[in-house]
Amino acid sequence: AQSVAQPEDQVNVAEGNPLTVKCTYSVSGNPYLFWYVQYPNRGLQFLLKYITGDNLVKGSYGFEAEFNKSQTSFHLKKPSALVSDSALYFCAVRDWNNAGNMLTFGGGTRLMVKP
Amino acid sequence: GAVVSQHPSRVICKSGTSVKIECRSLDFQATTMFWYRQFPKQSLMLMATSNEGSKATYEQGVEKDKFLINHASLTLSTLTVTSAHPEDSSFYICSASVVGGDTQYFGPGTRLTVL
Repeated sequence: AQSVAQPEDQVNVAEGNPLTVKCTYSVSGNPYLFWYVQYPNRGLQFLLKYITGDNLVKGSYGFEAEFNKSQTSFHLKKPSALVSDSALYFCAVRDWNNAGNMLTFGGGTRLMVKP
Repeated sequence: GAVVSQHPSRVICKSGTSVKIECRSLDFQATTMFWYRQFPKQSLMLMATSNEGSKATYEQGVEKDKFLINHASLTLSTLTVTSAHPEDSSFYICSASVVGGDTQYFGPGTRLTVL
């Protein structure tokens, strides 16, 4: 079984400050990890993924995430937040054994960036 | 690349009618498409996995006779909500995976309102 936890329903940060959105996961094998962003009344946009290789993954719009196997975490980060980053962020995991490519999503974290 | 479209983006129908939602991969071939349902301020719930040329695999608790899925080609999957009722009102999102790929790309979603 695979599962994802996003412990914060909402994260508030001031524009220009660094942001972190937390994600922890559980899989039986090696994880494939993803971050998606959702704007109001829109589908999900792919931000970045970790499959293998470097633990620090860089993605779209200046976002990055660090895979930490010992802590089973994949926190999303950005050095300097923008007001336009305000959206709903979803972490997702897939076990590499899952040939069907099925993702399990976390509950989502709403990021609010204030001017 | 990897663009997924959905049509319609918004639909309002009367109780008892059927509604068809289309999901298309515009610039790639997708052997697998996924259908999700999202309630307000909640995460995505996987409804079914659709493989081209075969019957869809439904998640537990999802009525296959209620939510008919057809994946007739490598670029098109359809979800038909039959005899819709107000409790079927929701945001429906599809996603598609490139053949042999590990990332799901999402459509913009369809908001269904059943009166």
